[in-house]
Amino acid sequence: GQSLEQPSEVTAVEGAIVQINCTYQTSGFYGLSWYQQHDGGAPTFLSYNALDGLEETGRFSSFLSRSDSYGYLLLQELQMKDSASYFCAAPVGGYNKLIFGAGTRLAVHP
Amino acid sequence: GAGVSQSPSNKVTEKGKDVELRCDPISGHTALYWYRQSLGQGLEFLIYFQGNSAPDKSGLPSDRFSAERTGGSVSTLTIQRTQQEDSAVYLCASSLAGTGGLNEQFFGPGTRLTVL
Repeated sequence: GQSLEQPSEVTAVEGAIVQINCTYQTSGFYGLSWYQQHDGGAPTFLSYNALDGLEETGRFSSFLSRSDSYGYLLLQELQMKDSASYFCAAPVGGYNKLIFGAGTRLAVHP
Repeated sequence: GAGVSQSPSNKVTEKGKDVELRCDPISGHTALYWYRQSLGQGLEFLIYFQGNSAPDKSGLPSDRFSAERTGGSVSTLTIQRTQQEDSAVYLCASSLAGTGGLNEQFFGPGTRLTVL
């Protein structure tokens, strides 16, 4: 089957760095996306990796290794407002269909 | 500019009733998606529309679910004979071009459906 696995919860303190991992198993692979969702809110796009390596966007970076079927989202200089759920997602089946991991709930503490 | 809008924001219905959920995508976005999200879970793909092409309905969980998109803009998701397991937040998203999941998707606020 096709699946994306990520940890259910991560806790960190303000100012720290946290890494949220995502391993995937898909038939056909086009890349890995990351979305952020605050409680009660809509998911918002953070980044996308089509190629191996690190993509940096401000405090957030995303990494992909196709050979390891693995990616991660790196959040630096954590702020309280970063407390949210983070989802990895991958297009499959002709890449119109986006499948999501179950999400990682990040709690940032003072 | 305006983002993706959905209505109603909340819908409570009785088991067996039909419901219609509406999505207004961002103007100019040719691709439109419907997802379902149960409490504490990830998003489950339901259906994808791209321009005038036949929709990708591969995620619809049963024949009680249907969706249409009129004039390449507004979309309606219909659930017939609702069941309690249909209770979830239904999210709509749109994106600029027809490259499927590769493009950034812009999500609406969702419709929270509760089936009693």
